[in-house]
Amino acid sequence: GQNIDQPTEMTATEGAIVQINCTYQTSGFNGLFWYQQHAGEAPTFLSYNVLDGLEEKGRFSSFLSRSKGYSYLLLKELQMKDSASYLCAVKDSNYQLIWGAGTKLIIKP
Amino acid sequence: SQTIHQWPATLVQPVGSPLSLECTVEGTSNPNLYWYRQAAGRGLQLLFYSVGIGQISSEVPQNLSASRPQDRQFILSSKKLLLSDSGFYLCAWSRSDISGANVLTFGAGSRLTVL
Repeated sequence: GQNIDQPTEMTATEGAIVQINCTYQTSGFNGLFWYQQHAGEAPTFLSYNVLDGLEEKGRFSSFLSRSKGYSYLLLKELQMKDSASYLCAVKDSNYQLIWGAGTKLIIKP
Repeated sequence: SQTIHQWPATLVQPVGSPLSLECTVEGTSNPNLYWYRQAAGRGLQLLFYSVGIGQISSEVPQNLSASRPQDRQFILSSKKLLLSDSGFYLCAWSRSDISGANVLTFGAGSRLTVL
């Protein structure tokens, strides 16, 4: 079966750096997405990786290793507004998105 | 720019009652449209998707149905709600080209509670 694994919850301190991991086992691979979802709101797109390596977008970076079935989202200079769930999703060989359950990130002052 | 509207935002319905959730997209044509359900502690579950008017693909057998009467309108319905239909329903759209970074843009969501 297809599977996306992420930690359920993480806690970090304001101003610090946090890394949220995602491992996947899917039938084929056509890209990996990270979305941010604040409580009670809709997910919003953060990043897309299809080739190995690091993609940087301001305070957020996303890394992909296709051979290891692994990605991480790196958040720097954490702010209180970064408290949210972070969803990892992989597009499989049929271009269908397989979603992880999300990682709830709690930022403490 | 493209916008997506979804309503109602909150709904409390008795078991056995009907359901209609509506979603419309502005600023684009021939989008792919999706209905997802999100349960606590679980990943997003794709319920239906549509690549064009009248074309609906169902991913999970259930008590729900979807229709696309117009290019940018997507409706989620049920004739008789079950308790297990409670959840957070999300409509989304994407470009019709499914390759590459075909990003999903979500509506604000509809919180359904069946009592």
